[in-house]
Amino acid sequence: QVRLVQSGAEVKKPGASVKVSCKASGYTFITYDINWVRQAPGQGLEWMGWVNPNSGNTGYAQKFQGKVTITRSTSLSTAYMELNSLTSEDTAVYYCARAEGSYPLDYWGQGTLVTVSS
Amino acid sequence: QSVLTQPPSVSGTPGQRVIISCSGSRSNIGSDTVSWYQQFPGTAPKLLIHSDNQRPSEVPDRFSASKSDTSASLAISGLQSEDEADYYCASWDDSLPGRVFGGGTKLTVL
Repeated sequence: QVRLVQSGAEVKKPGASVKVSCKASGYTFITYDINWVRQAPGQGLEWMGWVNPNSGNTGYAQKFQGKVTITRSTSLSTAYMELNSLTSEDTAVYYCARAEGSYPLDYWGQGTLVTVSS
Repeated sequence: QSVLTQPPSVSGTPGQRVIISCSGSRSNIGSDTVSWYQQFPGTAPKLLIHSDNQRPSEVPDRFSASKSDTSASLAISGLQSEDEADYYCASWDDSLPGRVFGGGTKLTVL
């Protein structure tokens, strides 16, 4: 069965960076893009960007350009999302989800809580 | 401010039918398909509807959806207490380009 398993919760200080992983199993990793979506406490879903595991190509929401870097390791069937220059506004649950191009996000990871606090 | 507009909340009693609206523009709903996600507190969203009105096999047929021009709607009939959740519409926006979500609608079953 398709599974996306994310790394555990993180607590970071303002100005630091965080890297969240998303390990895929149950399907051929390179055949679906991995997207990242975040959800601030009590707020809605916000799309951040994607990576094509086959080519390594990426795309980012304008708001996150320069703020986030999405990468992948095909040998580990894992995608990564790194967020830099953290502020309290980056406190959120971060989800990875797979999709075929612009098609819907059909499988989601369990989410990773990133807390930014001094 | 979300690109797609949903009502913050809707409510209904068991057995009723409720409708959640989602308003967009020509660059998103007007030119690409709409999907809907269901999210329970503390859990990841789950794909409920794709391709405007298609249900994954595991989703009950009480859930249906439609789209017209730049708006879409999700209907839940025979409302049950376990339907109480947050619902999000989503699409692709050609002008950005990127995925866009609605702000979410909290469904309360009274």
